[in-house]
Amino acid sequence: NAGVIQTPRHKVTGKGQEATLWCEPISGHSAVFWYRQTIVQGLEFLTYFRNQAPIDDSGMPKERFSAQMPNQSHSTLKIQSTQPQDSAVYLCASSLQQYFGPGTRLTVL
Amino acid sequence: GQQVQQSPASLVLQEGENAELQCNFSTSLNSMQWFYQRPGGSLVSLFYNPSGTKQSGRLTSTTVIKERRSSLHISSSQTTDSGTYLCAMFSGGNYKPTFGKGTSLVVHP
Repeated sequence: NAGVIQTPRHKVTGKGQEATLWCEPISGHSAVFWYRQTIVQGLEFLTYFRNQAPIDDSGMPKERFSAQMPNQSHSTLKIQSTQPQDSAVYLCASSLQQYFGPGTRLTVL
Repeated sequence: GQQVQQSPASLVLQEGENAELQCNFSTSLNSMQWFYQRPGGSLVSLFYNPSGTKQSGRLTSTTVIKERRSSLHISSSQTTDSGTYLCAMFSGGNYKPTFGKGTSLVVHP
């Protein structure tokens, strides 16, 4: 069991560029959660899927952020036109019992 | 809105001392969970504890759902306990998670 896999581990983008973050949940887990963590705001819930269906996206910024789960084996978080304030660690968790991946550290220059 | 209040925000101990961390929830909750995060690391679940008391080694979690509070007791602290402890509540029909800001623990030898 490799645990939750997140790629890339680090991503640096220029302001205005697009960033796509990937999450592979633990096999058999039906729920996938996305979070953003910063020193100032702490850990913020973004969105989650259960059985690939979007359940709650109330934490997602209304513009530029989108998430998908096209199949059971992966979910993506896409940020269009990245801004410096998007810099954070983006965490993915698998299952309602929250098995976290290592995170993707996004830096927007 | 939903809030999770953690206290203390930070704690410094000498090795061997005990620690008591608290979480208070502003709304009714379905369940809650305690996590540990090493600096620069991801989150690891310590307890999934909807109610009552659970123990694992030197860690004990007690949740009183009707009083909307939970505590994490660390006995005989060790330097390896240093890190951030976060609690999360899960509420509503969608089981949406809300995290506290965390308690930063430093244990000196």
